[in-house]
Amino acid sequence: DVKVTQSSRYLVKRTGEKVFLECVQDMDHENMFWYRQDPGLGLRLIYFSYDVKMKEKGDIPEGYSVSREKKERFSLILESASTNQTSMYLCASSLGGPSYNSPLHFGNGTRLTVT
Amino acid sequence: DAKTTQPNSMESNEEEPVHLPCNHSTISGTDYIHWYRQLPSQGPEYVIHGLTSNVNNRMASLAIAEDRKSSTLILHRATLRDAAVYYCILRWQTGANNLFFGTGTRLTVIP
Repeated sequence: DVKVTQSSRYLVKRTGEKVFLECVQDMDHENMFWYRQDPGLGLRLIYFSYDVKMKEKGDIPEGYSVSREKKERFSLILESASTNQTSMYLCASSLGGPSYNSPLHFGNGTRLTVT
Repeated sequence: DAKTTQPNSMESNEEEPVHLPCNHSTISGTDYIHWYRQLPSQGPEYVIHGLTSNVNNRMASLAIAEDRKSSTLILHRATLRDAAVYYCILRWQTGANNLFFGTGTRLTVIP
């Protein structure tokens, strides 16, 4: 079974701090994604990566950056955390190539609170 | 971008079939229909997907209308573990940035 592991289940940070959310997958997937989930808004795509060192902006990239130095690891960075970034963050991965047939495999999420 | 419409919530009795509807009237010919579900305190989990024909797997069945403007996820016998939010998503053929999760349908299973 594919496993997507997010480094922290819960995280509390202060406004202005730099925050790193780490995600590791063990199935050699080319694609990796970061979403945030907020009540009433569903899942929204922040960034995705289809290869090492490659990244593409999603729907809401403002205030975030990402890093993919190794195929199995995709990091989400909040350069200066703000209270409106309090949310559930979900990482996912999938096979590359024609992606319409490749299910996304999600981690269990990191609940970030910024105070 | 083609989007989907689902009821906010549904209820079902345990051991009975559940039909979860999804409307996607602006679907294009190359869009695949995917279903995911999210159990409490977990990330979303893939359920099933299809293009034109009905599909079955160990978790569920997917019935796709002939004009493809709607589809129905069928759980043949609901269990308490099926209580989750179910998302119907259209997936384009190209690009990785091709998934849009709406707010889904919250399924409550009544013992």
